[in-house]
Amino acid sequence: DAGVIQSPRHEVTEMGQEVTLRCKPISGHDYLFWYRQTMMRGLELLIYFNNNVPIDDSGMPEDRFSAKMPNASFSTLKIQPSEPRDSAVYFCASSPRDNSKQYFGPGTRLTVL
Amino acid sequence: LAKTTQPISMDSYEGQEVNITCSHNNIATNDYITWYQQFPSQGPRFIIQGYKTKVTNEVASLFIPADRKSSTLSLPRVSLSDTAVYYCLVGPWDTPLVFGKGTRLSVIA
Repeated sequence: DAGVIQSPRHEVTEMGQEVTLRCKPISGHDYLFWYRQTMMRGLELLIYFNNNVPIDDSGMPEDRFSAKMPNASFSTLKIQPSEPRDSAVYFCASSPRDNSKQYFGPGTRLTVL
Repeated sequence: LAKTTQPISMDSYEGQEVNITCSHNNIATNDYITWYQQFPSQGPRFIIQGYKTKVTNEVASLFIPADRKSSTLSLPRVSLSDTAVYYCLVGPWDTPLVFGKGTRLSVIA
């Protein structure tokens, strides 16, 4: 298996633009997680899905952030409009049956100018 | 979720055994202890998980005393490539775990 795939790996955009991050989980995994990592705040859980259904989005910072999982093999995290404080590395992770053993993707480094 | 406390950083020389201890005084009966490793510019990677006593795999050992209020991750004979951040997480199967700041391990030649 190729592991969790994220795209793009790097994104540079200007404030106010829409940003869409993509994730393909490992086939057969039931859970999908979106995280954000910064030096100041560490690794934060934004939202997670179970069988394509959002279970907990309490970590989503504000309404500018949205996430979808239209099918078992694809998820998106969208920021609209983006702001400089959204600059971070965004990780997607998937898990086969529980929340403890997660497989992380390589991350997307987002820079908002 | 149980609160965890671990050292912010540790240094070690190559070839030494490294032990990173994590305190989790309010661990619940149904909580498991999980450790992740994160290299620079990569996502965290699962290392080991346990409930009680000792667990060993090809990467590390995890020691958990009877009261389960702490745990120790043991890395045998570290090399430069073991330089990473190590996270201790405590929680039940059905709740997403919370990553703290972790322990930044620096291995020196």
